[in-house]
Amino acid sequence: QSALTQPASVSGSPGQSITISCTGTSSDVGGYNYVSWYQQHPGKAPKLMIYDVTNRPSGVSDRFSASKSGKTASLTISGLQAEDEAIYYCSSYTSSSAPGVFGGGTTLTVL
Amino acid sequence: EVQLVETGGGLIQPGGSLRLSCAASGFTVSSYYMSWVRQAPGKGLEWVSVTYSSGNTYYADSVKGRFTISRDNSKNTLYLQMISLRAEDTAVYYCARSPPYSYYFDYWGQGTLVTVSS
Repeated sequence: QSALTQPASVSGSPGQSITISCTGTSSDVGGYNYVSWYQQHPGKAPKLMIYDVTNRPSGVSDRFSASKSGKTASLTISGLQAEDEAIYYCSSYTSSSAPGVFGGGTTLTVL
Repeated sequence: EVQLVETGGGLIQPGGSLRLSCAASGFTVSSYYMSWVRQAPGKGLEWVSVTYSSGNTYYADSVKGRFTISRDNSKNTLYLQMISLRAEDTAVYYCARSPPYSYYFDYWGQGTLVTVSS
């Protein structure tokens, strides 16, 4: 069982928007602004999409945005495209154990 | 250009030992937080170990006492020494970089597969 809780799957049609949630505790998501999001295509290494809750690395599309409220962080993808189909993981610093925790991953299907 | 290249994976019997290497280029490993993250077949990501630029190291409870993370600054390489390997250690092992004082991974290697089986 993962330390952070994500829905197993979400889906959307091209052009639509979807949101993936990531729920933790006050020892991780709720206590620190160190939430990050990763995209992983089959057989590939994860790719950083969001860091420190809301920041987008250079080169990542502005269709990706994120936020946090209390113990739940969220990743929103707008204007869905076929290439967005992947597994998305959230991660957070945690004070309860080292070195950190991931969510179980959410499979995004673009219909 | 930042690159991380892992080597050292393979098939190993339960109870055996293995050392993974992660050769870095385009930056200096001693100046960054460096981690090992693993992914069991068909499963999610698990943060295994981290070494901070201060030299402090941390481990997931699942590997504590069996895995040791280290760096060779002269070779700009990160290592993961694994002993007493178990079937549940079977995974792709990635090395990943974090900027100092941050807790996200901005660069990842391609991964190396470790299979623990008799």
